[in-house]
Amino acid sequence: EDKVVQSPLSLVVHEGDTVTLNCSYEVTNFRSLLWYKQEKKAPTFLFMLTSSGIEKKSGRLSSILDKKELFSILNITATQTGDSAIYLCAVVKRAGSYQLTFGKGTKLSVIP
Amino acid sequence: SQTIHQWPATLVQPVGSPLSLECTVEGTSNPNLYWYRQAAGRGLQLLFYSVGIGQISSEVPQNLSASRPQDRQFILSSKKLLLSDSGFYLCAWRQQGAQETQYFGPGTRLLVL
Repeated sequence: EDKVVQSPLSLVVHEGDTVTLNCSYEVTNFRSLLWYKQEKKAPTFLFMLTSSGIEKKSGRLSSILDKKELFSILNITATQTGDSAIYLCAVVKRAGSYQLTFGKGTKLSVIP
Repeated sequence: SQTIHQWPATLVQPVGSPLSLECTVEGTSNPNLYWYRQAAGRGLQLLFYSVGIGQISSEVPQNLSASRPQDRQFILSSKKLLLSDSGFYLCAWRQQGAQETQYFGPGTRLLVL
């Protein structure tokens, strides 16, 4: 059975801290890994990773994939209260119509 | 640009009542469409997906069903709701032939009492 495990499940940090969120997976026929940010409602897309070792970066957020060790990390530097959200990791398999298998998410709370 | 709509935004229903949630996508054609449920303490669980009109694949056996009567319309239904059907229902779309990123609608929060 496919598994996506995120850690920690929740995290509280102060503004300005740097955080690292983890996502490990066990999936047959891996194709890609996606990160989403979910605030009140709809998850919004952050990154798609397909190749090992290539960092994707957007402002203070960055992410990297390790296909040998089967994990990805999402880094957020100089955190702000607006970064408070649930961060979701999802894996796409090669077969089928690109269904996503999600982890349970990491709830990040950034306090002033 | 593409937009995805879901309604209603929130719904409170008694056990045993029927359900109909609607999702529509604008600005694209022939998308893949997905229904997910997010329950408290759990990740998003894929319920159904569709690659075209009238084509529905179910991922989890349950008392829910889905239909796609038009290219950009996806409906989630139930004849009799259970308490365990409570949760946050998200519809998503993906452009066929493009990369695998899915884009989510605003969701429907369902509470079954």
